[in-house]
Order: sequence, then structure tokens, then C-alpha cells
Amino acid sequence: DTGVSQNPRHKITKRGQNVTFRCDPISEHNRLYWYRQTLGQGPEFLTYFQNEAQLEKSRLLSDRFSAERPKGSFSTLEIQRTEQGDSAMYLCASSTDRGRTPYEQYFGPGTRLTVT
Amino acid sequence: GENVEQHPSTLSVQEGDSAVIKCTYSDSASNYFPWYKQELGKRPQLIIDIRSNVGEKKDQRIAVTLNKTAKHFSLHITETQPEDSAVYFCAARGTGRRALTFGSGTRLQVQP
Repeated sequence: DTGVSQNPRHKITKRGQNVTFRCDPISEHNRLYWYRQTLGQGPEFLTYFQNEAQLEKSRLLSDRFSAERPKGSFSTLEIQRTEQGDSAMYLCASSTDRGRTPYEQYFGPGTRLTVT
Repeated sequence: GENVEQHPSTLSVQEGDSAVIKCTYSDSASNYFPWYKQELGKRPQLIIDIRSNVGEKKDQRIAVTLNKTAKHFSLHITETQPEDSAVYFCAARGTGRRALTFGSGTRLQVQP
């Protein structure tokens, strides 16, 4: 499978714990995005990387959230001191700035976080 | 920032009928408008997109139209089939940004 992959697919954690998610983009894609989706809503943008540089962050991204993309390959999203309001599906997407489809974002299957 | 509104929130059609979903956006300089289909428990899948220099684009039974003056764009599905049943999201890419702003989704049900 050459699509975007995410791990874990599901995560249940207790309030106050830290969690980390991983995203592996399509191999030739240099752009990577994190979105959050709650039930019945469209995805909401969190942050964007071009190669290893984090170029854009949403106001939604509180200081409890941090994302990295070392070496411009996979990315991790960490949430510290989780709250029940963090329960959501966390989606990763990737795209390339080359070729015929520089704008198209392809999504991974998501990580569903439940904070109890 | 960009704001995208989508309607209707639910749409039920008979198999073989057409379905139309409409979105409006706020940033007049937005230049890219994709549509995603999301089946229950699955990832959003890109089904069609349009750039701001084009007024209409078709791909088999699916078409998208863009009216830049009115700042709205629409998804048209003809000859609907039960497998078209899903949630559809429109999105827009605002000025100087890479991120997409999504609408709130339309749940389409195609009745056999």
C-alpha cells in the first residue's frame, strides 16, 4: 500500500496522559498536514510541514500540541495532558509540489483518540 | 481567515436522480476547491477538484462548477447509485495558504 498510513488507528487514554501519533506520507510527497475531525464535522486544519519545516499552525493548536517532521519524512503529533475535548479523529494528509497535481491532498485513515 | 459554508446538510435522492451540493467561501482570492467523499469509518477521498482559472470540470458522472464572482461552487452527481451514499465535503484553499478549510459536510443518501 503506497498511500498515507497512520498509527495507531485507535487510542484510548485517560485524561492528563500524553499521547503520540505517527503519520507516514506518500513517499514522494514533501508536504504534510495534520487535521482534526469531530463527529459530524469537516476536518479542521492543525498544522502543515514542507519537508522538515513547520510553516503553518492553526490557532486551534494549543501549546499542549506539538508536531515534528524530522528529516522531512514521517511526522509525529503529540498531545500533552490530554483533555476530554481532545477526543476526535486525527487525520494526516500529504501532497507534493511537483508534477501535475501540486494541490491534491491525500488523507490517511486517521487515528481515533478517545480521552476518558 | 477563510470560511466555507455548505448546504444542504442532508440530501436524499432516488437512484438515478441527480444530486447537487453547494458551497460558498469568503476569501475572494481562494484558488483551489476540492471535493471529498467520506464513507462511514473511512478516510476522506478526493473525488474531483477545480482551480480558480476554470469554470467547470467533469469526470464521468461528477462535475464541479465555480462562480468566482458569487464566491460559490457546486458538486453535481448525475445518475446517482446507492454506492454514492456517503458524506461529501467541499473545501477551499485561501490566499497564501496550503491548508484547506472544509465545509461541514452533506450526508447524501441514495435510495434504491
